[in-house]
Amino acid sequence: DTAVSQTPKYLVTQMGNDKSIKCEQNLGHDTMYWYKQDSKKFLKIMFSYNNKELIINETVPNRFSPKSPDKAHLNLHINSLELGDSAVYFCASSSSRGTQYFGPGTRLLVL
Amino acid sequence: AQSVTQLDSQVPVFEEAPVELRCNYSSSVSVYLFWYVQYPNQGLQLLLKYLSGSTLVKGINGFEAEFNKSQTSFHLRKPSVHISDTAEYFCAVSASGGSYIPTFGRGTSLIVHP
Repeated sequence: DTAVSQTPKYLVTQMGNDKSIKCEQNLGHDTMYWYKQDSKKFLKIMFSYNNKELIINETVPNRFSPKSPDKAHLNLHINSLELGDSAVYFCASSSSRGTQYFGPGTRLLVL
Repeated sequence: AQSVTQLDSQVPVFEEAPVELRCNYSSSVSVYLFWYVQYPNQGLQLLLKYLSGSTLVKGINGFEAEFNKSQTSFHLRKPSVHISDTAEYFCAVSASGGSYIPTFGRGTSLIVHP
């Protein structure tokens, strides 16, 4: 009964590959997010969806494409992976007033 | 737009000593304020939040924070830390009206020594 779950937990892949990360929340929240955390722990918001509609798209390469099939799911697809994409990616959802509920993270390593 | 400054990137402290992690914010509108904790290899979890009302907010694991509007601060305190408090702590702010999208500080690494 995990509130926000992500798969996979670890992802090791070669440069140039395409990969997807899946996220699901069972909290009934309307808003979901993708964050990127770099090696210095800096947390940067990438995308935000509200009721399956994109509301934030920060300065992120268009190789990153979020997809929300329903309000409980927000997946992240990454094309043509680059070395600099190596990071931890967190999915989150939020209640009213913005409290964020984070998933456990997906550790992506691009070789 | 909002911004958050966490003044210390790393805070070393001995077990059972008190600790304060500092957070200052900037905003042209009223805000909600949050502290999150990230244990090694885990996601972030909410420690405490200020939405309105009493400026002294108590959270989980014995932590508390005080909202100071005049100094635009929201410092986190604990009177006696444990080894298990070793973690990364993030301060965040969001506008109290509108989309509630948060802005996070760069984090403070709390290192508790025995």
